[in-house]
Amino acid sequence: QSALTQPPSASATPGQRITISCSGSSSNIGTNFVYWYQQLPGTAPTLLIYRNHQRPSGVPDRFSGSKSGTSASLAISGLRSEDEADYYCAAWDDSLSGVVFGGGTKVAVL
Amino acid sequence: QVQLQESGPGLVKPSETLSLTCTVSGGSISSYYWSWMRQPPGKGLEWIGNIHYSGTTYYSPSLKSRVTISVDMSRNQFSLKLNFVTAADTAVYYCARDSYSHSYIGWFDFWGQGILVTVSS
Repeated sequence: QSALTQPPSASATPGQRITISCSGSSSNIGTNFVYWYQQLPGTAPTLLIYRNHQRPSGVPDRFSGSKSGTSASLAISGLRSEDEADYYCAAWDDSLSGVVFGGGTKVAVL
Repeated sequence: QVQLQESGPGLVKPSETLSLTCTVSGGSISSYYWSWMRQPPGKGLEWIGNIHYSGTTYYSPSLKSRVTISVDMSRNQFSLKLNFVTAADTAVYYCARDSYSHSYIGWFDFWGQGILVTVSS
C-alpha cells in the first residue's frame, strides 16, 4: 500500500478538464513539496510539476498543480489524446526519511 | 542536456546480488542527489534510495537491509547493489537525477530509459 493515495483511474472526453488527487499525511505532503510525473506507455516517467505547482520548461500550461494541507492535486485542462498516461505524485517523507510515491492514476481520454 | 544510462545484467538468479550502474553524461555528478527507482511489471513506481555526491545516502526502509548505493565521481557514475534478490525484485530499474538540495529531494528532472532486470533461475 502506497504512502500517498491516488485514484487508480480517471477519464474524460477531449477538451474537458480532469483533476487527480493525491492524499498524504503531515509527514510528507503536509510539510514537504509535491512532485508530479507523467509516464507515457512504454517509456520512463518525466517530470510534470515540481515544488507543488511549478512547471518545467516545455510542459504545457494545461497542466497545473496545487497543494492544500496534506493533499495535492494535478489538473489537466483541455484534455488531449496524447495525455493518456499514468500520473504519479511523490513527496519526501520525514518519518521514513525517504521519497514516497502515490500508486499512480491511469488517465483515459474517451 | 543531462543524460543517464543504466547498465548491468538483465537476468539475476535468486539469492544473488543485483548490480546496476548509471552513467551520467552532459553534466557533472557533483552538486546533486542521484536516485534509483524501480517499477515491477504492470505496477507503480517505488523509490529505492539516493546518494549525494558527497556520499550521503538515504534508503527506502523496506529495502534498507539489502541495498547499497555508491558513487564514482571519477567516472561520473553511481551504482546500485541489491542483495539476496527474489522474484519480487523483478522490475524495470530507473536511475534519475534528484535535487541539488535536501529540501527538494523527490525532484527527478532527468531519468534514464530504464533497464528490465528479471530474477529467475
